[in-house]
Amino acid sequence: SQQGEEDPQALSIQEGENATMNCSYKTSINNLQWYRQNSGRGLVHLILIRSNEREKHSGRLRVTLDTSKKSSSLLITASRAADTASYFCATDIEFGNEKLTFGTGTRLTIIP
Amino acid sequence: EPEVTQTPSHQVTQMGQEVILRCVPISNHLYFYWYRQILGQKVEFLVSFYNNEISEKSEIFDDQFSVERPDGSNFTLKIRSTKLEDSAMYFCASSAPQVVFSEQYFGPGTRLTVT
Repeated sequence: SQQGEEDPQALSIQEGENATMNCSYKTSINNLQWYRQNSGRGLVHLILIRSNEREKHSGRLRVTLDTSKKSSSLLITASRAADTASYFCATDIEFGNEKLTFGTGTRLTIIP
Repeated sequence: EPEVTQTPSHQVTQMGQEVILRCVPISNHLYFYWYRQILGQKVEFLVSFYNNEISEKSEIFDDQFSVERPDGSNFTLKIRSTKLEDSAMYFCASSAPQVVFSEQYFGPGTRLTVT
């Protein structure tokens, strides 16, 4: 598998429910970032978690990182219709080299 | 809030033509990047640029591609002779590496269509 793979590939939930997306990666990382992309639009930065951090919160977002399992999860609580988008994890694998390697993305649909 | 801007939003060109995609990074950022996303596929790194030179490039970034920072604000990607497979969304990004573990901020993208 490739560096940065999200699962599920697609997720549909009712508005108000929580959405959890997972990301796995292959190599050691410096940090991991989550981005949102509305259909055909740009990438919006959501949150960055460093390799020495285990959990981070930002508003309704909660990100966890397990470097021993090389995985991360993004939890969106109390989902809203406006959260409908694709979500990508991106890893930065080498300090001083900030090339990001993106995952394949999870397509999240919030049903009103 | 500062943001990365890109022009044009959509560019249609004929195969073999040259195109220049333009970006204005966030003003106090020092690292600049180009990524592309072919429709339905993942975002791919093309090139990073720091201190007026390329710091890294991917295998996609062949001799047909070049980048330039012609003045203090713009950052451009040139494709010399476009191919059909260059059709994609091209994203510019910038970051502030003077801050350790800095986020990359992306522009809205330029959709390039090669016919």
